[in-house]
Order: sequence, then structure tokens, then C-alpha cells
Amino acid sequence: NAGVTQTPKFQVLKTGQSMTLQCAQDMNHNSMYWYRQDPGMGLRLIYYSASEGTTDKGEVPNGYNVSRLNKREFSLRLESAAPSQTSVYFCASSVNRAKETQYFGPGTRLLVL
Amino acid sequence: ELKVEQNPLFLSMQEGKNYTIYCNYSTTSDRLYWYRQDPGKSLESLFVLLSNGAVKQEGRLMASLDTKARLSTLHITAAVHDLSATYFCAVDIKRNFNKFYFGSGTKLNVKP
Repeated sequence: NAGVTQTPKFQVLKTGQSMTLQCAQDMNHNSMYWYRQDPGMGLRLIYYSASEGTTDKGEVPNGYNVSRLNKREFSLRLESAAPSQTSVYFCASSVNRAKETQYFGPGTRLLVL
Repeated sequence: ELKVEQNPLFLSMQEGKNYTIYCNYSTTSDRLYWYRQDPGKSLESLFVLLSNGAVKQEGRLMASLDTKARLSTLHITAAVHDLSATYFCAVDIKRNFNKFYFGSGTKLNVKP
């Protein structure tokens, strides 16, 4: 049982390049989330997917797109990376009902030059 | 806009001492979550507090929730070095439990 996995672990991009961060979970969870964590700050929600086939914006969605490919996989795409998107990105999943905690992946460190 | 504020942001303490981390939030919620993050690692769930007056304990950590005051506390008893980490609180909102809002975190350093 791997839990929540993310690829890649680390990526360097040049401004304007695009990339997709991959996330998968094997816990049969309905909900999946993408967060970013910047130094000295808590996590901020970028997008979430409450169930397969649905996606919704979080606090900071600008500059990102997401795809809920199936129940297991939720990807985050940066179409034209900017230095302000340098951050650590965490994917998480949960059962999708109130009172349930979230389970986090190991994170992807992204540096945009 | 929902705000979640933690204090202190940094805490350096000696082993064996007690201390409390505070988490205030600005909206009505009766659910609060505590997470731990080790340096360079992911977040690990510590506690889920689901109602006013809820108290949960695990080892040297005890968390409580006062929904009327919109306040949660994480109390550390007789700290040990292994508790050094960053602790985050988070709340979800009643109308959308998928939206979690995190505090900035409290970086705890327990010195031997």
C-alpha cells in the first residue's frame, strides 16, 4: 500500500516552460487535492477534485490547470511556468466526507528560473 | 476570507519543559485538524477534533478544541528532541468540507 505518490520529486524549469505534476493514490479515496507550500507559510489549496469527473478551484488556482484522470490519478499542469510558481507542491487525498483527514504525498520541489 | 493563525511561529524549548501552541481561526467550524511535518518531508495527520470541547492525546501531545472561542491548542508535555518538527493546524468550512485552510505552522525545536 503506497498511499499517495507524486512524480517527479524535483524539477527545474525555465520561465515559460510547461510541465505536469503527477499524483496517484491507492486508498480508494474519492477526493484529491493539490496544495503549494511556500517558505514560512502553510499550505494553500490550488485545486481539488471531490470525486472522479469533477474539479474545483481552491485559494490560488491562477496559472494552473488540473485533470482528474480517473479515481486514482490527479494531475496538475503549469502551462507557462513563472518564478512565482517556485514552491513545494503536495498532493493529498481523502475519503470525501466531513470529519475525515487528508493523506499527503511526499511532495514535488519545483524551481522556476 | 478565512484566516487561520498560529502562534508562536517559532518555538525553541528545552527537553522536559511544557508548552502550548495556539491556533485561532476566523470562521465557524467545528472541525479542526493538526498535522506534523518533519524537515523536507510530507505532512502527517496527528489529530482530528470534531466538536466543541474535544480533547485528544497521543503520547506527549494533547490537542483541544473550543469552537465558541474559535481556538485550538496543542499542548506539549515534557518535550523530547523527537518532537522537533513543524506543526500545522487546519480547518475546513461547513459549507465545503473539501476546502482546508492551513495555518502558517509552528516550527518547534526541542534542545537536548
